[in-house]
Amino acid sequence: EPEVTQTPSHQVTQMGQEVILRCVPISNHLYFYWYRQILGQKVEFLVSFYNNEISEKSEIFDDQFSVERPDGSNFTLKIRSTKLEDSAMYFCASRADRGGYGYTFGSGTRLTVV
Amino acid sequence: AQSVTQLDSQVPVFEEAPVELRCNYSSSVSVYLFWYVQYPNQGLQLLLKYLSGSTLVESINGFEAEFNKSQTSFHLRKPSVHISDTAEYFCAVRRVEGGSEKLVFGKGTKLTVNP
Repeated sequence: EPEVTQTPSHQVTQMGQEVILRCVPISNHLYFYWYRQILGQKVEFLVSFYNNEISEKSEIFDDQFSVERPDGSNFTLKIRSTKLEDSAMYFCASRADRGGYGYTFGSGTRLTVV
Repeated sequence: AQSVTQLDSQVPVFEEAPVELRCNYSSSVSVYLFWYVQYPNQGLQLLLKYLSGSTLVESINGFEAEFNKSQTSFHLRKPSVHISDTAEYFCAVRRVEGGSEKLVFGKGTKLTVNP
């Protein structure tokens, strides 16, 4: 069964450093998402991406965050200057098309900011 | 806007007991509902979904959920749980706004199955 692949599985970074979280969505999917889950809390929507541009972003997704699909296969989330409160599990998801209700999630990247 | 509420943050049960994890939704339009499971230290896996048609949907591992429009609920049930069902369960609803769509999750229910 096709999978969404996320790397790395765990990343530790120092406060103020830039991090890039990588995702390889399912190849024929058109819609891409990032969600995050702070430890013990709910899964929160960050951003959706379609046709090489952001479709929607949440209040969490401020100027420190950016997304890119640089080469047609990878989908990345960049955090420019990490804060302690950015520590969370970040999930990438993809969806096939407008009528595709099957969101497939990756296994997540656990980001720890120290 | 569509949203879901999971009333129980933790549900402890004994092995082989029945369980019900509650989810209520809020929506003024047709609704698509999902249950996801997150096993310890793993990602989110789709358990089952309701899009239309039969109001009772089932998963391959014995869970089922019933869409109840009058009670705006989509509770998850299993008649007899196993230790391996210990996980966190998230109810989610498809939200469409301004031409874009996403899943919106509840706060999750941590199911602990004890021997």
